[in-house]
Amino acid sequence: AQSVTQLGSHVSVSEGALVLLRCNYSSSVPPYLFWYVQYPNQGLQLLLKYTSAATLVKGINGFEAEFKKSETSFHLTKPSAHMSDAAEYFCAVTLSNDYKLSFGAGTTVTVRA
Amino acid sequence: EAEVAQSPRYKITEKSQAVAFWCDPISGHATLYWYRQILGQGPELLVQFQDESVVDDSQLPKDRFSAERLKGVDSTLKIQPAELGDSAMYLCASSLGGESSYNEQFFGPGTRLTVL
Repeated sequence: AQSVTQLGSHVSVSEGALVLLRCNYSSSVPPYLFWYVQYPNQGLQLLLKYTSAATLVKGINGFEAEFKKSETSFHLTKPSAHMSDAAEYFCAVTLSNDYKLSFGAGTTVTVRA
Repeated sequence: EAEVAQSPRYKITEKSQAVAFWCDPISGHATLYWYRQILGQGPELLVQFQDESVVDDSQLPKDRFSAERLKGVDSTLKIQPAELGDSAMYLCASSLGGESSYNEQFFGPGTRLTVL
């Protein structure tokens, strides 16, 4: 079975600083990986996805993630944080032969002025 | 832009009462999912439909939860009787399904359930 682990349940950054959210996956077959963002009392919005094409994936709102098979990682980054980036972020994995999404526990990002 | 609709957005009920949530997926999406998200955790799949058929309900507490998608379009999730531990956000998602290379799911805004 596939799973993801998000390192750090809370991340606090200053406005304009680098945002780095860590995600490691466990999978016996090639995975598809996703990052979702959730604002308070709202559903999940897809930020970006890795589906076995380019290992560096660019998403919406200036976010990007890099798939590293050797490290089984899919960390999310944004060069310069904005106040509007304050939200909860979820890493998720699904397998090419099984379309079930498994989510990590989430990382809450706060942005300091 | 097409969206997944859910109602109600918020529901407060007393334990032992019955509650129902409704979801209308994006038009043309064959696959529909119901997730439960406990505060501070990631969503967990409760049930997955392909058209009107249940594909996976292995995590659905069938003694009190039921789900249906009678015409393969909108869906209802019911809890009877509600328990305190059912307090959570209930998310609905839909996807095209079929033989796509990946299965991007689009989420609705969720229903926040509070059981008193």
